[in-house]
Amino acid sequence: AQKVTQAQTEISVVEKEDVTLDCVYETRDTTYYLFWYKQPPSGELVFLIRRNSFDEQNEISGRYSWNFQKSTSSFNFTITASQVVDSAVYFCALTASYNTDKLIFGTGTRLQVFP
Amino acid sequence: GAGVSQSPRYKVAKRGQDVALRCDPISGHVSLFWYQQALGQGPEFLTYFQNEAQLDKSGLPSDRFFAERPEGSVSTLKIQRTQQEDSAVYLCASSRTGGEEPQHFGDGTRLSIL
Repeated sequence: AQKVTQAQTEISVVEKEDVTLDCVYETRDTTYYLFWYKQPPSGELVFLIRRNSFDEQNEISGRYSWNFQKSTSSFNFTITASQVVDSAVYFCALTASYNTDKLIFGTGTRLQVFP
Repeated sequence: GAGVSQSPRYKVAKRGQDVALRCDPISGHVSLFWYQQALGQGPEFLTYFQNEAQLDKSGLPSDRFFAERPEGSVSTLKIQRTQQEDSAVYLCASSRTGGEEPQHFGDGTRLSIL
């Protein structure tokens, strides 16, 4: 079975604080892909990053960084120097298995950044 | 258009009515997905098309739910004899080729069943 767990339901920070959103996944597949999406109040899911199971290099994109660790089945997302515009619900998702492309989502983490 | 377009943005229906939700994917995208998102939850997979072929409909909750993509472009999700538990946001996504390609989502249709 495949599963994504985002244990943090809601996080509140003050602007300029760093914040890490946790994601733990379960899959028996050896080839799989992990994603992070952002869902602002408008409702549209915005793609942030994709990582495949064979690439454990961390990635940085501006204020965003991702830490993928297969040993702990985790794919955590850090926002450095958070801004009010970062306020949204963030979803971690998994796709695996060669014969289906569906995304398995976690329940999301609501991030509120206060000025 | 530049992104995935869904219509209507909001739909209110009385219990027992049929509804049809439309999705216009990004031009040239082969794969199209439908998800259902309940309040406070992550999206849950409903069905998947590659061109006009429906390859996976394992997430459709009942036979009242039906999806089609007859010409491999626009897709319609139809719900017959709606029930209150069908109230949710229905999200459509498309991707260039499927597989590991990122899925790009529309704004969704918020369906409320009275």
